[in-house]
Amino acid sequence: DSGVTQTPKHLITATGQRVTLRCSPRSGDLSVYWYQQSLDQGLQFLIQYYNGEERAKGNILERFSAQQFPDLHSELNLSSLELGDSALYFCASSVNSPGEQYFGPGTRLTVT
Amino acid sequence: KNEVEQSPQNLTAQEGEFITINCSYSVGISALHWLQQHPGGGIVSLFMLSSGKKKHGRLIATINIQEKHSSLHITASHPRDSAVYICAAFLLTQGGSEKLVFGKGTKLTVNP
Repeated sequence: DSGVTQTPKHLITATGQRVTLRCSPRSGDLSVYWYQQSLDQGLQFLIQYYNGEERAKGNILERFSAQQFPDLHSELNLSSLELGDSALYFCASSVNSPGEQYFGPGTRLTVT
Repeated sequence: KNEVEQSPQNLTAQEGEFITINCSYSVGISALHWLQQHPGGGIVSLFMLSSGKKKHGRLIATINIQEKHSSLHITASHPRDSAVYICAAFLLTQGGSEKLVFGKGTKLTVNP
């Protein structure tokens, strides 16, 4: 158990819908990272927050957004969902940046 | 070309064999992660290193910054080592932060 929690574990939704994925980092970790893992693309970095502020951006679509709240939990919002958004979404946290990252169990999103 | 290249893509070994997985990167990095992903999907951080060598049990990771190359070694391999091993490099960005770029992974199967 990494200490990072993600909810929900599974999510099935239809195209065009909007969903919110939630991540709680390990106690004391200030940095939260979001990753997408699809079958054809492998793991891809989406976005990083550090102590409430956006720190780095990767291959995050405009339809996706994220934020980190004062209690350091983070949410990833995915809107206007497409079939191609079906993937595993991982959250990770670390104390520092860069720092060893601890991964959550992931949220499996299926868009039908 | 991917900024982080791993080889081999697939590796099958007999129990007890010494295993090496290689990772090369093409740009400046601040650190490198080796990750393990089990068939269930969970991701575990094995090592984070920026120089030299680290050892944990039967696992050894080395990095050569000048040659932009890292290796993960598994001694006395065991079927429970069967997993996907992923190399991820903290690439330095123009904004002064780092983003994690992943290799495509090496699928290791250790047969009894």
